[in-house]
Amino acid sequence: DVKVTQSSRYLVKRTGEKVFLECVQDMDHENMFWYRQDPGLGLRLIYFSYDVKMKEKGDIPEGYSVSREKKERFSLILESASTNQTSMYLCATHRPGKDTFGSGTRLTVV
Amino acid sequence: GQQVMQIPQYQHVQEGEDFTTYCNSSTTLSNIQWYKQRPGGHPVFLIQLVKSGEVKKQKRLTFQFGEAKKNSSLHITATQTTDVGTYFCAGGGADGLTFGKGTHLIIQP
Repeated sequence: DVKVTQSSRYLVKRTGEKVFLECVQDMDHENMFWYRQDPGLGLRLIYFSYDVKMKEKGDIPEGYSVSREKKERFSLILESASTNQTSMYLCATHRPGKDTFGSGTRLTVV
Repeated sequence: GQQVMQIPQYQHVQEGEDFTTYCNSSTTLSNIQWYKQRPGGHPVFLIQLVKSGEVKKQKRLTFQFGEAKKNSSLHITATQTTDVGTYFCAGGGADGLTFGKGTHLIIQP
């Protein structure tokens, strides 16, 4: 089974800090995704990537950027963290018929 | 863009009762996936439906995809405490998923 690993389970950062959330997958899947999950809003797609150095905006890309230098690693970057980016962040990979999620990173911006 | 509505938002049942959650999409879906998220956990894939009118079963869970491929349901027969969690439907695929907001299933022993 695919393993999707997110580097941190919990993270606390200060407003204005640059934040990196890392995601690594072990099955050579081309498509990777970043979602955020908020109470009452469900899961929303931030960015996704088809392949190395490729990226596409999802539904809520504002305030975020991504990096995919290697196929197995997809990073989400908060250039200047703000309190409204406090959320659960979930990384996922895709193969036809199934998406696999990481365990999530709960980010708190204070 | 595509919107996926899911109801109810919360469902309280007594252990042993049945449970159903419903999804409706604003557009025709190529497929629909269902996920379960336990409290404190991450979404875990349950199943994908692709064909119009498709019905699939996993033990006590029955999944249906509507004839028009715009709606879907998940039915759990005789709920158990292990069924507690949030059930999400999602449409989409290689370009990312559009999720319903989920139904929180709460079971009273």
